[in-house]
Amino acid sequence: DVKVTQSSRYLVKRTGEKVFLECVQDMDHENMFWYRQDPGLGLRLIYFSYDVKMKEKGDIPEGYSVSREKKERFSLILESASTNQTSMYLCATVAGGPYNEQFFGPGTRLTVL
Amino acid sequence: AQSVTQPDIHITVSEGASLELRCNYSYGATPYLFWYVQSPGQGLQLLLKYFSGDTLVQGIKGFEAEFKRSQSSFNLRKPSVHWSDAAEYFCAVGPSYNTDKLIFGTGTRLQVFP
Repeated sequence: DVKVTQSSRYLVKRTGEKVFLECVQDMDHENMFWYRQDPGLGLRLIYFSYDVKMKEKGDIPEGYSVSREKKERFSLILESASTNQTSMYLCATVAGGPYNEQFFGPGTRLTVL
Repeated sequence: AQSVTQPDIHITVSEGASLELRCNYSYGATPYLFWYVQSPGQGLQLLLKYFSGDTLVQGIKGFEAEFKRSQSSFNLRKPSVHWSDAAEYFCAVGPSYNTDKLIFGTGTRLQVFP
């Protein structure tokens, strides 16, 4: 079974802090995604990556950056956390091909005070 | 632009009743369509998917969905709901251009009463 793990289930940070959310997958998938999930808005794509050191902006990249130094690890960075970044963050991974299933991690619920 | 609409934000059904969750999409070409389920406190899990062929697709946990091109719909159904089906359900369409990006709907929260 594919396993996607996220570094924290719950995280509380203060405004202005730098925040790192980490995602690790064990299936050698090329593609990895970061979404944020908000009530009534569904899942919105922040960034995605097709390969090591490659990244593409999603629909809402402002205020975020990402890093992919190793194939299995995809990090989401909030350079200076703000209260409007309080949300559930989901990581997903998929083998190449648009028809393939995306496998999701359990999510990190981030609260920015 | 590609989009997905789930018109029902919240649905409540009794255990044992039938269920239909609606999904409408806007897409210029032949879509890939997906239904995912998110149980409380968990990530999303794929229920079923459609790309081509038989327009009625079977998924896990007794769910099925029917693709209707004329109505741009991909509704999810289950003949008899169990209490454990209480969750949030997301419809998704893809790919977006030449990427593996999916467009997700806003979700439908299902509540099941005993």
